[in-house]
Amino acid sequence: GAGVSQSPSNKVTEKGKDVELRCDPISGHTALYWYRQRLGQGLEFLIYFQGNSAPDKSGLPSDRFSAERTGESVSTLTIQRTQQEDSAVYLCASSSHPGGGNIQYFGAGTRLSVL
Amino acid sequence: DAKTTQPPSMDCAEGRAANLPCNHSTISGNEYVYWYRQIHSQGPQYIIHGLKNNETNEMASLIITEDRKSSTLILPHATLRDTAVYYCIVRVANNAGGTSYGKLTFGQGTILTVHP
Repeated sequence: GAGVSQSPSNKVTEKGKDVELRCDPISGHTALYWYRQRLGQGLEFLIYFQGNSAPDKSGLPSDRFSAERTGESVSTLTIQRTQQEDSAVYLCASSSHPGGGNIQYFGAGTRLSVL
Repeated sequence: DAKTTQPPSMDCAEGRAANLPCNHSTISGNEYVYWYRQIHSQGPQYIIHGLKNNETNEMASLIITEDRKSSTLILPHATLRDTAVYYCIVRVANNAGGTSYGKLTFGQGTILTVHP
């Protein structure tokens, strides 16, 4: 597709369950980012990938959160043993390279609701 | 990355110019000014960026003061579809040797409401 694609668009889960969120970046984009946005709040950075490596994981809130990227393409964000405070919109962005002039293109996000 | 200050909200009449200010008094010489916006229930959308010269594209104009301590995003003819949260972000051009390449630090932004 032409843009960043995220799936599912909405996810409702029960507290304690694991969830996987998927991001398909724009083809050829080497940099990929995950952000979280709680209701009424700004975006919080979670993790950055350059290729399949993650040089910056500083935003992951706990060891229940992990992410991987394969084939320098698709990325999956996994949240284990979900808690109610994990409820948020999870946004993925990609860019052609991370240096100067970098423009990040965002997907529409996955809205996660933990009951 | 330098901190930015934006008014929490602004109003604009449809068809008029919307001028959104941003203060970034601690900006460093290698930091760019980026503007993104987020329309309700969508992901952020890139608008424009600049280093020190004024910039214009099909969406907006960016005016950066000579001392680079502040900037203004101008939407020349606002429409109802421009109602959104507008984020001003300053970020290093690159971070050689570091790990935080390119991440964007979002503040609270300015809620722009365009009314008929």
